[in-house]
Amino acid sequence: SQKIEQNSEALNIQEGKTATLTCNYTNYSPAYLQWYRQDPGRGPVFLLLIRENEKEKRKERLKVTFDTTLKQSLFHITASQPADSATYLCALAPGSGYALNFGKGTSLLVTP
Amino acid sequence: DSGVTQTPKHLITATGQRVTLRCSPRSGDLSVYWYQQSLDQGLQFLIQYYNGEERAKGNILERFSAQQFPDLHSELNLSSLELGDSALYFCASAREGGETQYFGPGTRLLVL
Repeated sequence: SQKIEQNSEALNIQEGKTATLTCNYTNYSPAYLQWYRQDPGRGPVFLLLIRENEKEKRKERLKVTFDTTLKQSLFHITASQPADSATYLCALAPGSGYALNFGKGTSLLVTP
Repeated sequence: DSGVTQTPKHLITATGQRVTLRCSPRSGDLSVYWYQQSLDQGLQFLIQYYNGEERAKGNILERFSAQQFPDLHSELNLSSLELGDSALYFCASAREGGETQYFGPGTRLLVL
């Protein structure tokens, strides 16, 4: 069955450092992969999308890589700030217009 | 603000009861998705509607049903509620062929 795995343990890092979150998947051939941010009690907010034929995508302090051979995506936040503290969800879909399959998320805590 | 609205924000009810959750998508979005988020399961896709028609079903129980109306708002009906139905329920909307989904603030359901 399809599985999407994210680091289950919370990630604690110091302000200014780079946070790296991992998303691994099995039994899946996604057309694209997305990263969402979710704050407690709120809905997920879209951050970045990367397609199966793309290796890397950047947006401001965010960078996503996608390795379809390893079936893995890495999500980096550079120069992290306390305001980046949240849960980050990885989501896959087989194509546009389809429902998203989410990992359980990784909680990030950035301390001053 | 994603532009997706959900009501009510909170709902407390008893086992065996029936509730209706409401979602209004972003202006121009034809697709509505419903997701359930519980602590142990993460975000799980329930059902998708596109322009009034059911398009896809996920892990939706038979006690749950949904519909999308001509004005594109959607309702999720949960009946014969059980304690285990306590969760956050999110709806998301997307444009035709859209890859990114925009999530509402969610409805927190507590079944006592």
